[in-house]
Amino acid sequence: DTAVSQTPKYLVTQMGNDKSIKCEQNLGHDTMYWYKQDSKKFLKIMFSYNNKELIINETVPNRFSPKSPDKAHLNLHINSLELGDSAVYFCASSHRGAGGHTEAFFGQGTRLTVV
Amino acid sequence: AQSVAQPEDQVNVAEGNPLTVKCTYSVSGNPYLFWYVQYPNRGLQFLLKYITGDNLVKGSYGFEAEFNKSQTSFHLKKPSALVSDSALYFCAVRDMGDDKIIFGKGTRLHILP
Repeated sequence: DTAVSQTPKYLVTQMGNDKSIKCEQNLGHDTMYWYKQDSKKFLKIMFSYNNKELIINETVPNRFSPKSPDKAHLNLHINSLELGDSAVYFCASSHRGAGGHTEAFFGQGTRLTVV
Repeated sequence: AQSVAQPEDQVNVAEGNPLTVKCTYSVSGNPYLFWYVQYPNRGLQFLLKYITGDNLVKGSYGFEAEFNKSQTSFHLKKPSALVSDSALYFCAVRDMGDDKIIFGKGTRLHILP
């Protein structure tokens, strides 16, 4: 059973298009994240949701819009794609317990290529 | 704001030798510290964490890490390296009570046969 799953795994699209990436976790966690990994492998947090509420938005362009229909899902919609959006996008989840969050578990990533 | 530094872009170790991958951190409160490994074209796999308690924590695949509060370090170690350990290793930190994990830039580990 895959704990954190993302679809699609690969996404090739033209500039200006709108695309979505879906993420689901079956770990019962209450917090989900989107991270972006660039070509130099730097990992940068984009968004974090806790119990469907946005709690972190790290100065990401408003062309990126996350949506969390329930605690187990966090989707990422990107409008008007640009060349610079090409990267690997990782979804992750963790649980906020009494002592703070657990470690985060990551999906396999979605490699987005904008041409 | 918290931050993580991995001073080495790459570490080369001969198979069978001990390995160390360095990490230092900065947080305003008590740190939660993590190590993750990324194999090519794969996601990040959790290796180990320090929350509280013993300064030496053991994790997956024979890896361990030592928390040093005075030096604000959390170096990853393994007594005997395997070629299959070759991968990209990330140190990460969460400030207690904070909702985000901040990652270092990663260290590429090459184990030479």
